[in-house]
Amino acid sequence: GAVVSQHPSRVICKSGTSVKIECRSLDFQATTMFWYRQFPKKSLMLMATSNEGSKATYEQGVEKDKFLINHASLTLSTLTVTSAHPEDSSFYICSAIKGIGNTIYFGEGSWLTVV
Amino acid sequence: GNSVTQMEGPVTLSEEAFLTINCTYTATGYPSLFWYVQYPGEGLQLLLKATKADDKGSNKGFEATYRKETTSFHLEKGSVQVSDSAVYFCALSVPYSGAGSYQLTFGKGTKLSVIP
Repeated sequence: GAVVSQHPSRVICKSGTSVKIECRSLDFQATTMFWYRQFPKKSLMLMATSNEGSKATYEQGVEKDKFLINHASLTLSTLTVTSAHPEDSSFYICSAIKGIGNTIYFGEGSWLTVV
Repeated sequence: GNSVTQMEGPVTLSEEAFLTINCTYTATGYPSLFWYVQYPGEGLQLLLKATKADDKGSNKGFEATYRKETTSFHLEKGSVQVSDSAVYFCALSVPYSGAGSYQLTFGKGTKLSVIP
């Protein structure tokens, strides 16, 4: 079964609104989670590294004020797309590191459509 | 920088056909190489990996060999099944210290459809 869960799996929002995507580690604590996005026919691109209790580390070219990441607990990281625009429509997926063996687990991904 | 180039899909095969999905990479440093699979409605799952040259990763009948000389990590399976229908991603990570070791660079993904 899934060990990392994302919600929602699909969301449609209006341009200018904000939308929150949750990433939960279900049976382990994750001090570090990662957020990726994938545009059509493009690679999965790392957006940011989410660290529990501290600020996220964003990759070059990713607007931190637009993509707000909160990792307030050891089992939950959230990505909020603020003032969404149609060009933010994408597939967003998170991953988390499970301590023993340092295995990376991915969520199911979330499809965001901004209309 | 790091990058992964994999065969564009979609790929459609008949059951029991031979599968090859090509993957080549460029990397600073000595990367670890991975194949991930995403079945419909599910998250990415690690299929196999290799951490050094000439290593062969294998799982569920799939194999890939780390070829440093050709910077490749092609995925193969001798006889595909309908249940192998999924999207396959080639990826690499470069062993920096700390959490950076777990940052993955992905290819675009290849959708495989296997028909009975």
